Amino acid sequence: DAKTTQPPSMDCAEGRAANLPCNHSTISGNEYVYWYRQIHSQGPQYIIHGLKNNETNEMASLIITEDRKSSTLILPHATLRDTAVYYCIVTSGTYKYIFGTGTRLKVLA
Amino acid sequence: KAGVTQTPRYLIKTRGQQVTLSCSPISGHRSVSWYQQTPGQGLQFLFEYFSETQRNKGNFPGRFSGRQFSNSRSEMNVSTLELGDSALYLCASSPMPQVNTEAFFGQGTRLTVV
Repeated sequence: DAKTTQPPSMDCAEGRAANLPCNHSTISGNEYVYWYRQIHSQGPQYIIHGLKNNETNEMASLIITEDRKSSTLILPHATLRDTAVYYCIVTSGTYKYIFGTGTRLKVLA
Repeated sequence: KAGVTQTPRYLIKTRGQQVTLSCSPISGHRSVSWYQQTPGQGLQFLFEYFSETQRNKGNFPGRFSGRQFSNSRSEMNVSTLELGDSALYLCASSPMPQVNTEAFFGQGTRLTVV
């Protein structure tokens, strides 16, 4: 079973920030939080990852709560091309990723 | 820099046959992992290889096997194909299995078993 829980779907208006939550209440101290997205059955695309500090890159920001039991992926200005399924994964250094069902984000024009 | 290359992209096989799928990782990457994606089960982990050694194996029957060569290229084989093996098979590569590196996925091989 996946170690993360995400809402099945979300909508976001184009140009607005998309905030995608993820619950990982059983995360261990050495486990990172990774986010990937998959656009229409292409291979998943890496977005961002973090351990306990907030992280930002050119694609997104990752906010991890102090107790590390949940996190939020933020796409600051969503575009139609951001419509995808977003997966939150926790891992401790292996690529045996356990994917959950992810969040289907639809960006609306 | 070329990405992860999976061949073939599409494949149609008959029940009972066997199939071999190939994955060429990004140059310099030594870790390769494989996933199966179906509408019903989602993305499921199959195998993880590093330096020609299988590090992890998912919960799949023995009909599913894989290997990694000295040049880091990997193959997976499915024998005695069943209709339920129809899926998108994805390969991912990374420099090495460590905590702070991401995996790069290929476009996948779509297998249809008829």
